[in-house]
Amino acid sequence: DGGITQSPKYLFRKEGQNVTLSCEQNLNHDAMYWYRQDPGQGLRLIYYSQIVNDFQKGDIAEGYSVSREKKESFPLTVTSAQKNPTAFYLCASSIDRNSYNEQFFGPGTRLTVL
Amino acid sequence: EDKVVQSPLSLVVHEGDTVTLNCSYEVTNFRSLLWYKQEKKAPTFLFMLTSSGIEKKSGRLSSILDKKELFSILNITATQTGDSAIYLCAAHTGTASKLTFGTGTRLQVTL
Repeated sequence: DGGITQSPKYLFRKEGQNVTLSCEQNLNHDAMYWYRQDPGQGLRLIYYSQIVNDFQKGDIAEGYSVSREKKESFPLTVTSAQKNPTAFYLCASSIDRNSYNEQFFGPGTRLTVL
Repeated sequence: EDKVVQSPLSLVVHEGDTVTLNCSYEVTNFRSLLWYKQEKKAPTFLFMLTSSGIEKKSGRLSSILDKKELFSILNITATQTGDSAIYLCAAHTGTASKLTFGTGTRLQVTL
């Protein structure tokens, strides 16, 4: 059963703590992406990775970090430097970094910082 | 700066109505335009449009792209309550198959 999984579904953290969101895909896709969704603002790109061991900053990378040590995994760390981390985080993947195919999305993680 | 603008922001219609959702874009190195439906969590893919004037259709949903005027529309005919969702429009830009999203149109279909 192929797809993208994200965990946890809901996450609560105290201000000042780093937190890592998991994203795993078994679609054998090369490219993976992290988006943030806030009410009324659509999806904004945080980081993306076109291939293992390589990643690029998106439009709102400040306060976030990522790694891509394995093809199927692209975890996102929300650091204490992120000023307003409470949001809905979506991970996506697409088959090939060189083509312009659709991106497939995971179910998301809702992060609330108290 | 790449920009995708959707209108209206929200819409309430009665079941059976036909709706048209709009998406305009100003992006560098435009490649294609995508429509997604987001009901509760993960956006699900609807259409990808790369050529002007060619309608894509799936059941009661259809979409078309105008690359000269830089916009796309998504039509839903004979709406049902199950069509209630946020509809997202996104443009593939530049390299690395990056997507720039609009803010979405929230559609509510009432009985």
